[in-house]
Amino acid sequence: KQEVTQIPAALSVPEGENLVLNCSFTDSAIYNLQWFRQDPGKGLTSLLLIQSSQREQTSGRLNASLDKSSGRSTLYIAASQPGDSATYLCAVRTSGNTPLVFGKGTRLSVIA
Amino acid sequence: GAVVSQHPSWVICKSGTSVKIECRSLDFQATTMFWYRQFPKQSLMLMATSNEGSKATYEQGVEKDKFLINHASLTLSTLTVTSAHPEDSSFYICSGKPGGQETQYFGPGTRLLVL
Repeated sequence: KQEVTQIPAALSVPEGENLVLNCSFTDSAIYNLQWFRQDPGKGLTSLLLIQSSQREQTSGRLNASLDKSSGRSTLYIAASQPGDSATYLCAVRTSGNTPLVFGKGTRLSVIA
Repeated sequence: GAVVSQHPSWVICKSGTSVKIECRSLDFQATTMFWYRQFPKQSLMLMATSNEGSKATYEQGVEKDKFLINHASLTLSTLTVTSAHPEDSSFYICSGKPGGQETQYFGPGTRLLVL
């Protein structure tokens, strides 16, 4: 059974700092991996999706990498802003028809 | 992008009553719908998967007679929490997936509080 772990559980950084969020998964045979953002009491916003054949995806200040063989992904946020404060969730899909399996998330606070 | 709505956004009910949550795909046909539950400071846990016109497949530990899922059309799925108890209080999020696509589109969630 696929399990997804995110480290750290919480992170607090000053504004402007670059940071890395980590995600690991137990079964390396994944179809794709997705990073989401969740604001308190809200639903999910998709940030980046990486196919199993890809190594990384970039969107603005966000860069996600995938090392499928080691079961790891990282989300890099450059020049963090207070508006980046949220919980970041990592999720993996084992096949095209299976649902996403989520990690517990990393709660990020960016202090002005 | 594809939009999924949920109604209600929050609900408070008394213990023992039933609550229905609607999930609609507004601009696409959701061949498959997923229902997740999220407890405070926990991750989203999959409850069940439903394909339009078929019975839902429930994850281990989720009572199918307590959490009734109906996916009668390609744009609507409902989750009914029957005889709700305080421990059912949670954040319920649905997700729709178009046929032939791998992307899941998530609703904004429904917060349920059972008193």
